[in-house]
Amino acid sequence: EAGVVQSPRYKIIEKKQPVAFWCNPISGHNTLYWYLQNLGQGPELLIRYENEEAVDDSQLPKDRFSAERLKGVDSTLKIQPAELGDSAVYLCASSLGVAGGPDTGELFFGEGSRLTVL
Amino acid sequence: KNQVEQSPQSLIILEGKNCTLQCNYTVSPFSNLRWYKQDTGRGPVSLTIMTFSENTKSNGRYTATLDADTKQSSLHITASQLSDSASYICVVSAWTGGYNKLIFGAGTRLAVHP
Repeated sequence: EAGVVQSPRYKIIEKKQPVAFWCNPISGHNTLYWYLQNLGQGPELLIRYENEEAVDDSQLPKDRFSAERLKGVDSTLKIQPAELGDSAVYLCASSLGVAGGPDTGELFFGEGSRLTVL
Repeated sequence: KNQVEQSPQSLIILEGKNCTLQCNYTVSPFSNLRWYKQDTGRGPVSLTIMTFSENTKSNGRYTATLDADTKQSSLHITASQLSDSASYICVVSAWTGGYNKLIFGAGTRLAVHP
């Protein structure tokens, strides 16, 4: 079974340019997450989707970040315009049900998209 | 405030040696605790999950413990291998606002040297 697929793996852009990341979750997983991970830190939640609904986007900087999950499957995360401080790894994860639950709470992560803003 | 603190921040051990990583949390109400392993350049992968009633759980050479009274967990690695070099992240789940919110620790970076 295919895992969570993310692209691109690496992206280098100049500040003020736009960038987009794509994520394809594991088939059948209802919940999708976008996390930001800085070097030496744990992942920080940006947005969580249950099917196509964004149920937690409180940590998403909405002035420059946007996300969508059309048809409740694939998702894209966009940054426009990018700033130097956005350099990080953007991780996508999916889970079968509600995160943290004892039965289906395991998160399956993609390999991440590493963004460098010059 | 819900927090997860991990120690040490980094650790270097020789191949074949044992080590123990610590996770202290102030999360309420507690739902469960997971340890994830993150290889360099990869996404985290779940190693084990601990629920409130569990004290110890093993997964091969990895053994996790949980003390719900003191709000501490540990991950013990036995007979370390070079492939154990990775970051180990403790993630605690809190039942908040109708769903389980995940609180991530900063991780412990383990380097196993030959």
